[in-house]
Amino acid sequence: GAVVSQHPSRVICKSGTSVKIECRSLDFQATTMFWYRQFPKQSLMLMATSNEGSKATYEQGVEKDKFLINHASLTLSTLTVTSAHPEDSSFYICSARRTVQSYEQYFGPGTRLTVT
Amino acid sequence: EDQVTQSPEALRLQEGESSSLNCSYTVSGLRGLFWYRQDPGKGPEFLFTLYSAGEEKEKERLKATLTKKESFLHITAPKPEDSATYLCAVQPSGTYKYIFGTGTRLKVLA
Repeated sequence: GAVVSQHPSRVICKSGTSVKIECRSLDFQATTMFWYRQFPKQSLMLMATSNEGSKATYEQGVEKDKFLINHASLTLSTLTVTSAHPEDSSFYICSARRTVQSYEQYFGPGTRLTVT
Repeated sequence: EDQVTQSPEALRLQEGESSSLNCSYTVSGLRGLFWYRQDPGKGPEFLFTLYSAGEEKEKERLKATLTKKESFLHITAPKPEDSATYLCAVQPSGTYKYIFGTGTRLKVLA
């Protein structure tokens, strides 16, 4: 149990376009979902926290108008990178927390975004 | 300020050579400490949760322990397939967010 999927696994887009990444909890309902960014050989950097039906909470320094997060259901959260630029190229990973009593986060396989 | 430090940054072991990875933390209150394994180009895979000092968890060749200041991930008789980056994360009291360490890149040579 506790499987999280992401789609797409890789995406290449042109500068100025928008890209949507989906994160789904496949076998559980996720109370909270998190979005991370990871640069090569670095650890995970939390971008935002989202709860179903609520606005996402963004970490300091993360532009909420650039990284739009929607958590429409207990099994689906989406991250849209708007007007992408080459500096947005990165590995984006989502995670999900199972229940109110559970503290573990289960991670998706990640999405490699390349902006040309 | 809440902080997590992992050491060493990188570790090379011969197959069968046991060792330990360290995760030192400073938080105002600890809700939980988590160990993950991450393979290149993939998301982290959950290994263990530790909640209080003195707690230990085991899974195959891995054993995680926790004190009030640090956690150790002991790897007994490692195999090449144990090669990965091992990440430690702490969850301070009052939040569901993690603070990640920078990880230990483990390479086990056959």
